[in-house]
Amino acid sequence: QKEVEQDPGPLSVPEGAIVSLNCTYSNSAFQYFMWYRQYSRKGPELLMYTYSSGNKEDGRFTAQVDKSSKYISLFIRDSQPSDSATYLCAMSPPSNYGGSQGNLIFGKGTKLSVKP
Amino acid sequence: KAGVTQTPRYLIKTRGQQVTLSCSPISGHRSVSWYQQTPGQGLQFLFEYFSETQRNKGNFPGRFSGRQFSNSRSEMNVSTLELGDSALYLCASRRTSLSYEQYFGPGTRLTVT
Repeated sequence: QKEVEQDPGPLSVPEGAIVSLNCTYSNSAFQYFMWYRQYSRKGPELLMYTYSSGNKEDGRFTAQVDKSSKYISLFIRDSQPSDSATYLCAMSPPSNYGGSQGNLIFGKGTKLSVKP
Repeated sequence: KAGVTQTPRYLIKTRGQQVTLSCSPISGHRSVSWYQQTPGQGLQFLFEYFSETQRNKGNFPGRFSGRQFSNSRSEMNVSTLELGDSALYLCASRRTSLSYEQYFGPGTRLTVT
C-alpha cells in the first residue's frame, strides 16, 4: 500500500461547479498536509497547508483534514477554467519517523479540467 | 521577490554521462529540497540541505548526489545516467529548516537517450 493515495482522474467539470479532490494516507503520524497546484510545464505552487484535523478556508479553496479517517480533501468553489491543472496533495511525516519538513510525500496528483 | 530559479531548464544527455543541475532558492531561504517527478512514480524526494549540510535523503541510488553552498544555492549531480533517470527535477526552498511552506522552481527537464 502506498503511503499516499490520490485518484489521478482526469476530472472534468463545467465552469462554476464545486470540485472535490481527495487523498488518503496510511501513516497516522503525518501531521502537516498541503495542497499544490501544478500547471503544465511548471513547478508545483503551494495552495494551502493545514495542521492536524479541521478545515481551513482561503477564498474559493477549502482544505479539510480528517485524521481519524486518514483522509484529506480540497474543495474548489465556483471553479474557473484557470483552475485547470494537476492538484497534488503532500504530507510531512514527523522527524521521529525519519522525516522532516523538507521531505514531503506526495500523492500522484489529480488532473482537473474546468470547461467554460 | 524572485522565485526559485533552476538551470538549465532542459537538458538532453546520453546514457552513461553525468549531469549537474543548479538551483537558486528564494532570497533569504536557507533550506533546499530536491525532488524527481515522473509520470509513473509522481514526485519523489531526493534530498534536503540546510546550512550546507544534507539533512535527509530519499531512497535513490548513490549515483544521485547533491550539495549546498554557503549562499544557499544548491546543485545536484547524477552520474552514469540511465534511461530511467529521464524526469523533471524540481528544487524547492524553505526559509528555515522548521518551515513547512516549500516553494518550487520550474524544474529541469532531463531526457536521457
